Amino acid sequence: GDSVTQMEGPVTLSEEACLTINCTYTATGYPSLFWYVQYPGEGLQLLLKATKADDKGSNKGFEATYRKETTSFHLEKGSVQVSDSAVYFCALIIGISGANSKLTFGKGITLSVRP
Amino acid sequence: GAGVSQSPRYKVAKRGQDVALRCDPISGHVSLFWYQQALGQGPEFLTYFQNEAQLDKSGLPSDRFFAERPEGSVSTLKIQRTQQEDSAVYLCASSTRGGNGETQYFGPGTRLLVL
Repeated sequence: GDSVTQMEGPVTLSEEACLTINCTYTATGYPSLFWYVQYPGEGLQLLLKATKADDKGSNKGFEATYRKETTSFHLEKGSVQVSDSAVYFCALIIGISGANSKLTFGKGITLSVRP
Repeated sequence: GAGVSQSPRYKVAKRGQDVALRCDPISGHVSLFWYQQALGQGPEFLTYFQNEAQLDKSGLPSDRFFAERPEGSVSTLKIQRTQQEDSAVYLCASSTRGGNGETQYFGPGTRLLVL
């Protein structure tokens, strides 16, 4: 079945450090890929997405590129801030318009950024 | 505009009690999803509605779980004879049509604790 694998956490970084969170997927079809973020005490929010191979999603300084050849969608940021401390989830959807499009999530990884 | 809202935010139930969780999707969103998020895990799909039609209930863990969306707007997830393993956060999400690549917007969740 379809699945998403995220690197093990938690991750602790100092402010202004570089961030990479690995995500790989297994899918029978041609998925769209997402990164969702959950800040402390808040609900899940979409961070960025990519719907086809070689697309790059970006938001708030975060980027991720849809790599079909390596079935990956790694999340990167050049300089993290304390406010980036949150839980990050990689997810995929396989579906066509009008059909079921359930999200399949990875386990999530907790990022803590120290001042 | 208003986002997805869920009520109650917290629910404590004694084992064996029935509970009902409510979701108000974004106005005009055709598709509605329920997910279950266990502690330290990513959300897992429970069921999906397009308007009032329940198109997929493959993720419901047992026949104690029942969901409805009778008028194609508000949805209720009901759990009968709750068990301790039902303790989790229940997330509701909505999207405009539910197609591949569409963003699902999540509510804050209902945290259920079964004692």
